[in-house]
Amino acid sequence: DAGVIQSPRHEVTEMGQEVTLRCKPISGHNSLFWYRQTMMRGLELLIYFNNNVPIDDSGMPEDRFSAKMPNASFSTLKIQPSEPRDSAVYFCASNPGDYGYTFGSGTRLTVV
Amino acid sequence: SQQGEEDPQALSIQEGENATMNCSYKTSINNLQWYRQNSGRGLVHLILIRSNEREKHSGRLRVTLDTSKKSSSLLITASRAADTASYFCATAGSHNDMRFGAGTRLTVKP
Repeated sequence: DAGVIQSPRHEVTEMGQEVTLRCKPISGHNSLFWYRQTMMRGLELLIYFNNNVPIDDSGMPEDRFSAKMPNASFSTLKIQPSEPRDSAVYFCASNPGDYGYTFGSGTRLTVV
Repeated sequence: SQQGEEDPQALSIQEGENATMNCSYKTSINNLQWYRQNSGRGLVHLILIRSNEREKHSGRLRVTLDTSKKSSSLLITASRAADTASYFCATAGSHNDMRFGAGTRLTVKP
């Protein structure tokens, strides 16, 4: 099993540009979570899906953020337009139910 | 908030010593989990303890849970330099959505 796969690993973009982060969960895991990690705010839960359906997006900081899960094997987190304060490491995680999460390696986003 | 809060924020010990980290939370939980994060890497799941369990072991790890005090502890015995990392506790909500604390930064000196 290749684990949770995130792409890209690093993204540098200019303020105002659209950014799309991608995640492939582990096959058979029916829950997917997006987190953001910064030194100031720690790990923040942005949104999570159960069986491809968004359950709670109250952690999404602004309307500039959106997430989709069109099928069980793919999810995207989009920021449009991006701002310097969006710079962070974004993690995707999946789990099969009442078990520990498997995290991806993260996407380090830098908005200049 | 069901978010866990770790204590201490940072811990420095010598190789071979035991390391104890504590976690407190505010609401009822389904389970509590501990994760480890090496610098620049993703989080790795260490151990899960359910709300009806009081203690759990996994190798050199021992986790306790006291639901009456809403607290948990993680003990790493006979620490090694490779244990240097940040350790996070996380509490699970009704959809197993995890909220993480700020973490404890553990440094094990060789």
